[in-house]
Amino acid sequence: GENVEQHPSTLSVQEGDSAVIKCTYSDSASNYFPWYKQELGKRPQLIIDIRSNVGEKKDQRIAVTLNKTAKHFSLHITETQPEDSAVYFCAAKIPGTASKLTFGTGTRLQVTL
Amino acid sequence: NAGVTQTPKFRVLKTGQSMTLLCAQDMNHEYMYWYRQDPGMGLRLIHYSVGEGTTAKGEVPDGYNVSRLKKQNFLLGLESAAPSQTSVYFCASRENGQGTPSQHFGDGTRLSIL
Repeated sequence: GENVEQHPSTLSVQEGDSAVIKCTYSDSASNYFPWYKQELGKRPQLIIDIRSNVGEKKDQRIAVTLNKTAKHFSLHITETQPEDSAVYFCAAKIPGTASKLTFGTGTRLQVTL
Repeated sequence: NAGVTQTPKFRVLKTGQSMTLLCAQDMNHEYMYWYRQDPGMGLRLIHYSVGEGTTAKGEVPDGYNVSRLKKQNFLLGLESAAPSQTSVYFCASRENGQGTPSQHFGDGTRLSIL
């Protein structure tokens, strides 16, 4: 089955700086990679996703890059704000598996003033 | 349109007791999933369903059972609760067809087994 590793487990940045979270996956057949943000005590919410036929995707201050050869993908948050503080999860999906997602173990991002 | 609704939100059980967690979605989604979330371990898939009347095992199915008698509901049962099942449980559903496979999550059920 798929295995997803996520680093770092915790990340602290100053407001206005950039944050980068990295994930690697094991199954080269994986074709969909979502990122979820989970605030304390809340549900995971999808913030951005990318399919395997795309190398990069941006949405305002967040972007995701995918390197299929190296089997890794990254979340980039620019101009961080205190409300970006949360736990972020990456995930990967293998085709034909009922859209099951394999999640990374999460990154706790803290944006300090 | 409530999305994915989970009941109850909190529950405390004694070891050996049984209970059922309910997940309901009003988006007409075919696929539904149950996850557990433990500190430092992300979200792990317990069971899932690809349609009414179907269920399948996920990554950590032992000690749990599920049923999908109606398309909108996905029930997770613990027949004999154990302290190792103390966790936060999330239900999710996804859109039908070939559209984006993103999953939508409920607010979670925080379950403590004493």
